[in-house]
Amino acid sequence: EVQLVETGGGLVQPGKSLKLTCATSGFTFSNAWMHWVRQSPEKQLEWVAQIKAKSNNYATYYAESVKGRFTISRDDSKSSVYLQMNSLKEEDTAIYYCTWGLGAYWGQGVMVTVSS
Amino acid sequence: DIQMTQSPASLSASLEEIVTITCKASQGIDDYLSWYQQKPGKSPQLLIYDATSLADGVPSRFSGSRSGTQYSLKISRPQVDDSGIYYCLQSYSTPYTFGAGTKLELK
Repeated sequence: EVQLVETGGGLVQPGKSLKLTCATSGFTFSNAWMHWVRQSPEKQLEWVAQIKAKSNNYATYYAESVKGRFTISRDDSKSSVYLQMNSLKEEDTAIYYCTWGLGAYWGQGVMVTVSS
Repeated sequence: DIQMTQSPASLSASLEEIVTITCKASQGIDDYLSWYQQKPGKSPQLLIYDATSLADGVPSRFSGSRSGTQYSLKISRPQVDDSGIYYCLQSYSTPYTFGAGTKLELK
């Protein structure tokens, strides 16, 4: 059974950092292209970042809104993907989902609230 | 960036109707178009991928089509359980972009 479980969310002040983890199982993680997608309180979905597999040199891509502040990474030995979020802004408040290939498999999401 | 213009924003339909939701891409996306359904408190669930392919386990009353750069999701004889918010997503080029969503209510 495919599982994706996000952790690491919470309440953080503007300008601070947070790191999200997505632990996966049930598929060959090392070959998978992984994404982070977020959903604002207004329910708008926004693609955040992608990391490809080792065979694609772990290429990464970002939404303009997070470029330079967020970093996606992965540890194939742990079947996990990460999202390091720095210089957080109030507009980063959202539910963050990890997803395998933007297809059928998504995690349950983790809430990140940026507020003073 | 590719813009996805989704309509309508909300829709109330009866169980006898055919429901159609559309997404127009600002440029060609080579059928790299998916449709998702989301229910309150849940993650988006894949319905259609590659514009017309039905995802595993999705009822056949859901179907996808394309005309030019406009993509459509059709629900034939919707069920009460089909209520929720529907989103399209283009995965042709980064940044991948979602439509704004269509809230479907069944009456």
